[in-house]
Amino acid sequence: QKEVEQNSGPLSVPEGAIASLNCTYSDRGSQSFFWYRQYSGKSPELIMFIYSNGDKEDGRFTAQLNKASQYVSLLIRDSQPSDSATYLCAVNLWAGNQFYFGTGTSLTVIP
Amino acid sequence: ETGVTQTPRHLVMGMTNKKSLKCEQHLGHNAMYWYKQSAKKPLELMFVYNFKEQTENNSVPSRFSPECPNSSHLFLHLHTLQPEDSALYLCASSQDFPLDYEQYFGPGTRLTVT
Repeated sequence: QKEVEQNSGPLSVPEGAIASLNCTYSDRGSQSFFWYRQYSGKSPELIMFIYSNGDKEDGRFTAQLNKASQYVSLLIRDSQPSDSATYLCAVNLWAGNQFYFGTGTSLTVIP
Repeated sequence: ETGVTQTPRHLVMGMTNKKSLKCEQHLGHNAMYWYKQSAKKPLELMFVYNFKEQTENNSVPSRFSPECPNSSHLFLHLHTLQPEDSALYLCASSQDFPLDYEQYFGPGTRLTVT
């Protein structure tokens, strides 16, 4: 069983729409959750992190965490072509300091 | 630029060669990491160093040998690799450990084992 699962996509949305990216994790001991963005040929960069159940907003990005259902999502409002990238979900298990990435979801925003 | 540099950017080596990857961070961070990124697979955390001390070794084969002489430099020594070791090797750093802190990634070394 994979620790972190993401739909690989590709996910295509028109410019200006809301892009919704989902991630599920298997270990209930997971404590902190991260969304990284990786442009083609580049290294990952952090977009957001979330620790508590509920929503966390930062500009056009909203992370949503539901620990009971073991999923975390990322919403991108007013999607722009520059948002086209692979989005990596990552989970930190405090026990044993394990850190797991998903395989990523490829997002294309169509002008 | 993230403040994390890696050299070389590309490396082709035979299975009998010995080579080293270098990583340097200019951010004053205390923790450094090696990751492996293969196509269609998730980023795999290989090694963790906190204040120059190795804290995690995630079942990585002994043909990969890390070295951290100080908090700013990290090396990955490679010997007798296999073709399946071909991948992008990413170095990252963060202010501190554990892994709750934002990680800053270097540009990576694209390794091809022939």
